[in-house]
Amino acid sequence: GEDVEQSLFLSVREGDSSVINCTYTDSSSTYLYWYKQEPGAGLQLLTYIFSNMDMKQDQRLTVLLNKKDKHLSLRIADTQTGDSAIYFCAEKTNAGKSTFGDGTTLTVKP
Amino acid sequence: DGGITQSPKYLFRKEGQNVTLSCEQNLNHDAMYWYRQDPGQGLRLIYYSQIVNDFQKGDIAEGYSVSREKKESFPLTVTSAQKNPTAFYLCASSAGTSGEQFFGPGTRLTVL
Repeated sequence: GEDVEQSLFLSVREGDSSVINCTYTDSSSTYLYWYKQEPGAGLQLLTYIFSNMDMKQDQRLTVLLNKKDKHLSLRIADTQTGDSAIYFCAEKTNAGKSTFGDGTTLTVKP
Repeated sequence: DGGITQSPKYLFRKEGQNVTLSCEQNLNHDAMYWYRQDPGQGLRLIYYSQIVNDFQKGDIAEGYSVSREKKESFPLTVTSAQKNPTAFYLCASSAGTSGEQFFGPGTRLTVL
């Protein structure tokens, strides 16, 4: 079945780069997403990547996809305190649904 | 402004009562979803609908019901059969091939 796994916590210093990792199991995944959730709020789409790509860059965000290893990462350059949040990895399969990981809580220390 | 709204933001109910959570979108999206989020956990899919007048059970549909009579609206009823209904409920919609989901602000339901 579908499963998405992420490490639960990451702590970095302001100005450093953050790298959040995710693994998934469904080889039929068509799109992979990164969402951000701030306390008490809904999820906000940050970026997504199509499964035939291996990298996508959008300002401070870089997504790397290793389809062979079913590994996805999100790199945030020059991390700011406003980046503190929970980050969810998700995949969309051919069945049309999305499966979400449990989220990585990013803490940015000044 | 286009978006997805959920109401109310906070909801308190007594045990044994049914309660309906509202979700409305004006994004003209065909697909809509309901998720449940418990503290420190990810999202679990309750129900989803890919088109008006049709919906499917997700991973944890027991104790919940939905309707999709209009494209814009996808209300969720939490019934008394749901054993542990206190949670944060998120509604989302999506359209297009890439399937990215747009989320509402959530409703926090507390059953006393």
